[in-house]
Amino acid sequence: AQSVTQLDSHVSVSEGTPVLLRCNYSSSYSPSLFWYVQHPNKGLQLLLKYTSAATLVKGINGFEAEFKKSETSFHLTKPSAHMSDAAEYFCVVSDPTGRRALTFGSGTRLQVQP
Amino acid sequence: EPEVTQTPSHQVTQMGQEVILRCVPISNHLYFYWYRQILGQKVEFLVSFYNNEISEKSEIFDDQFSVERPDGSNFTLKIRSTKLEDSAMYFCASRGSGTAMYNEQFFGPGTRLTVL
Repeated sequence: AQSVTQLDSHVSVSEGTPVLLRCNYSSSYSPSLFWYVQHPNKGLQLLLKYTSAATLVKGINGFEAEFKKSETSFHLTKPSAHMSDAAEYFCVVSDPTGRRALTFGSGTRLQVQP
Repeated sequence: EPEVTQTPSHQVTQMGQEVILRCVPISNHLYFYWYRQILGQKVEFLVSFYNNEISEKSEIFDDQFSVERPDGSNFTLKIRSTKLEDSAMYFCASRGSGTAMYNEQFFGPGTRLTVL
């Protein structure tokens, strides 16, 4: 069994300030973890993924996430927010192979203020 | 770069009508999935399909739903008698079976289904 908890439904930051979107997971095996971004009325875009290699994962658009097994966390960060980062972000957990159903978190809406 | 495609992008139907949502997975992929996202909610898994049969399904995937791979390229989701609560964005995904330990699922752009 697996589950994902995104700790904040909404996060608001000012442009140029750091972004932190929090995600905790639960899994009965060594999971693979992902962050997807969804802009309004758009599909799902993969930001980054952790699949048991390096625990610090770099993704597109300057985002990165760190897998912390002891804390069962996979928080998403970015040093400096841009207006175009405003979107919905989903943390996703998968079984180790990717074959089974993905489990999505409830999402965090990121607002970026000018 | 290969991608998953879905048609139509938007489907409007009357309650009680049958709809078929179509997906063309990436050509050498063998695992296929449907997910849905009701407006303002998270993405939920519906069903996975491998070797011409359902390999996993959720509680949402009841007798009103069916999936099919009618030919070598398409993967369809049929809703027999649509309800208002079926209104959602439906995402198709496909996955290969390469030698890597992990093979990710690739998502299509989605079909927005509106049931009136």
